[in-house]
Amino acid sequence: QKEVEQNSGPLSVPEGAIASLNCTYSDRGSQSFFWYRQYSGKSPELIMSIYSNGDKEDGRFTAQLNKASQYVSLLIRDSQPSDSATYLCAVNPEYGNKLVFGAGTILRVKS
Amino acid sequence: NAGVTQTPKFQVLKTGQSMTLQCAQDMNHNSMYWYRQDPGMGLRLIYYSASEGTTDKGEVPNGYNVSRLNKREFSLRLESAAPSQTSVYFCASNEGNSKNIQYFGAGTRLSVL
Repeated sequence: QKEVEQNSGPLSVPEGAIASLNCTYSDRGSQSFFWYRQYSGKSPELIMSIYSNGDKEDGRFTAQLNKASQYVSLLIRDSQPSDSATYLCAVNPEYGNKLVFGAGTILRVKS
Repeated sequence: NAGVTQTPKFQVLKTGQSMTLQCAQDMNHNSMYWYRQDPGMGLRLIYYSASEGTTDKGEVPNGYNVSRLNKREFSLRLESAAPSQTSVYFCASNEGNSKNIQYFGAGTRLSVL
């Protein structure tokens, strides 16, 4: 079982809609959770970090964390074509300062 | 304001050749990482260095060696390249504190023929 699971997609949403990206993880002691965006041919770019249960909002992005269910999600409101990218979920396991990445979800926003 | 700098950006090798990928960061970060990214497999950790003078294996270390030359620089060496090492390689760094935020370089695209 992979430590961090994401649906590979592609997830297609119309412009202006809400995109919902999901991630589950296996290490119950994980402490830190991240969403990175990666455009084709580019490097990953951090868009959200979340460390405690609940929601964290930053502009059009909201990260949601539920440690009991071992689930983290990313909502993108008012999706734009420029949001089309691969979104990587990353988790910091209980010990050490490494990150474990999911395989990523491809998001396509259609205008 | 360079952040994490990787060289070279592109490289083509023949099977059996050796090469070193260079990585330098100017953010005074303690920890540095090397990943490879293959289609459909996300980022996999090759080696990391939690602090200057230490290195540890990650998920896929076979066929690679690393050197943490100083706090700024962390190099990845392929002693005898194989076609299975064709990939995109990313270097990353973080402060080494509890936030665990990693910042990535632009990547090196390596093809082994």
